[in-house]
Amino acid sequence: TQLLEQSPQFLSIQEGENLTVYCNSSSVFSSLQWYRQEPGEGPVLLVTVVTGGEVKKLKRLTFQFGDARKDSSLHITAAQPGDTGLYLCAGVADMRFGAGTRLTVKP
Amino acid sequence: KAGVTQTPRYLIKTRGQQVTLSCSPISGHRSVSWYQQTPGQGLQFLFEYFSETQRNKGNFPGRFSGRQFSNSRSEMNVSTLELGDSALYLCASSLSGRQGRGELFFGEGSRLTVL
Repeated sequence: TQLLEQSPQFLSIQEGENLTVYCNSSSVFSSLQWYRQEPGEGPVLLVTVVTGGEVKKLKRLTFQFGDARKDSSLHITAAQPGDTGLYLCAGVADMRFGAGTRLTVKP
Repeated sequence: KAGVTQTPRYLIKTRGQQVTLSCSPISGHRSVSWYQQTPGQGLQFLFEYFSETQRNKGNFPGRFSGRQFSNSRSEMNVSTLELGDSALYLCASSLSGRQGRGELFFGEGSRLTVL
């Protein structure tokens, strides 16, 4: 079973700041997904990355998959209060999730 | 298109009791998986069902069990409840027929409190 570590565990920033959160694995991902969970709701898929070195952009969010497919990062540019939530990475093959990064963006 | 529906949304039980949670997947989705979410442990995988068969199981004790019906609806049961079972239980459905592939669509969860 793949062990997924996410960092930081908590992050509190001001509106307009940039941030990066990380997801690391003890072994190679076949593919990886990022989800965001808002209070009182279930997680919602943001992106799936499959190829080593892949970069995907979703508006102000940039996702990168490491060349060796053992790590991934999520970068948010000019964070907004609406970005507040729990960001989770998941290994697609075994359906396991990391513990998440809880992001708070203050207006 | 209706999303994943979980019932009940909230429930309170006492130690030693048992509980059954229900999940109705998105129409056409045959894979249903269950997760336990707690502040300290994050999202922990319980099990996955596909076409009424459990095809993947997490590292939980035998007190946690589940099943899936022919209409893809799923239930999970926890017997002999312990205080540590207090958590948000999330159900997710997926269209993909291949284990662990595709997007997971989550319900809003069932929040269980054990007193």
